[in-house]
Amino acid sequence: NAGVTQTPKFRILKIGQSMTLQCAQDMNHNYMYWYRQDPGMGLKLIYYSVGAGITDKGEVPNGYNVSRSTTEDFPLRLELAAPSQTSVYFCASTLKGSTEAFFGQGTRLTVV
Amino acid sequence: GESVGLHLPTLSVQEGDNSIINCAYSNSASDYFIWYKQESGKGPQFIIDIRSNMDKRQGQRVTVLLNKTVKHLSLQIAATQPGDSAVYFCAENLNTGGFKTIFGAGTRLFVKA
Repeated sequence: NAGVTQTPKFRILKIGQSMTLQCAQDMNHNYMYWYRQDPGMGLKLIYYSVGAGITDKGEVPNGYNVSRSTTEDFPLRLELAAPSQTSVYFCASTLKGSTEAFFGQGTRLTVV
Repeated sequence: GESVGLHLPTLSVQEGDNSIINCAYSNSASDYFIWYKQESGKGPQFIIDIRSNMDKRQGQRVTVLLNKTVKHLSLQIAATQPGDSAVYFCAENLNTGGFKTIFGAGTRLFVKA
């Protein structure tokens, strides 16, 4: 099993550009999450999903969108990139009813 | 409100000593409290969790203590090793239909050889 795979690992965007951060898991986990981590800080929950077709907002959803068309994939969309979105983004997944989240390696995004 | 905080941003311990990392939380409705370890350049890794109806849980070299009276959580690492050097996050898990996990800011643990 590859676990949770995120692509790309690094990206530089210009202000106003759009991009999609990809996340895929091969563990058949029901729940998936997107977090952002600013330097020296904890992780902030952006969006999460309890299954295909179901998504919900976390602590900091503004400026982002998600979709969950399959159990395996949970892409995160930035429509109009802003410098405040410079961060490291982590995708995670858990089995239903479990607290043990499995994280990807992260995507380091810089908006200039 | 939903918040998880930490008392100290950094902790330095001698190899072989025990480490204690503390955490304060504010949401009494949390179902679980969890500790994660994050090494440089990697995603967080689950260490141990404790359900809100328990006050102690032990794992391999780690013990988590929960004091609901003062809303305090701690992670004890026995015989700290250089490989334990990392940032440790406490998190609280709110069962709102999915598991909504809220993280604290983290404590960096340095292990001196």
